[in-house]
Amino acid sequence: TQLLEQSPQFLSIQEGENLTVYCNSSSVFSSLQWYRQEPGEGPVLLVTVVTGGEVKKLKRLTFQFGDARKDSSLHITAAQPGDTGLYLCAGYNAGNNRKLIWGLGTSLAVNP
Amino acid sequence: NAGVTQTPKFQVLKTGQSMTLQCAQDMNHEYMSWYRQDPGMGLRLIHYSVGAGITDQGEVPNGYNVSRSTTEDFPLRLLSAAPSQTSVYFCASRPRSTSYQETQYFGPGTRLLVL
Repeated sequence: TQLLEQSPQFLSIQEGENLTVYCNSSSVFSSLQWYRQEPGEGPVLLVTVVTGGEVKKLKRLTFQFGDARKDSSLHITAAQPGDTGLYLCAGYNAGNNRKLIWGLGTSLAVNP
Repeated sequence: NAGVTQTPKFQVLKTGQSMTLQCAQDMNHEYMSWYRQDPGMGLRLIHYSVGAGITDQGEVPNGYNVSRSTTEDFPLRLLSAAPSQTSVYFCASRPRSTSYQETQYFGPGTRLLVL
């Protein structure tokens, strides 16, 4: 059972375009994290959101945690080729912070 | 700090061979995990450890063994390699806490091909 659904699975856009990636669940999470993974490397944490409705910004990236803490989104403004990579969302269920639940990822290609 | 290191980076095995994937971290993290990453399947937890001497199974433990004799090291052993174990393997670590905000730090991965 995949508890975290990410969409879209693949995204290919031109430099300068905006995009949004979604991470949805029917379960409530104590927190959601977004990681970016570049080819040949391990995932690297971008942000953690904890409070329902929380919005965090990281330069051109905006992360939002849903009010009910069941979903999250990542919005990239004016995408650049350096944003290319696999974006993974992951969350900790309430009462169990030993294991992260992972989404399958969104593979983003930003073409110059 | 070197962070999380993994060796080897690449490995080719024949069916039935055994091998050990090494993982070490120098951040004094108590939690360590092994994942495999396959196309369309995402990251799947194989085994994890919450401290030296303590290990537990994840989603896909069959065919793999682990032990944790020190805080720093968490080796993953393939007992008798099968083609289904062809994958990219990642080791990760994080501090032990009751927080739901802890970052997982990943190694660079080991790419394994079983023929």
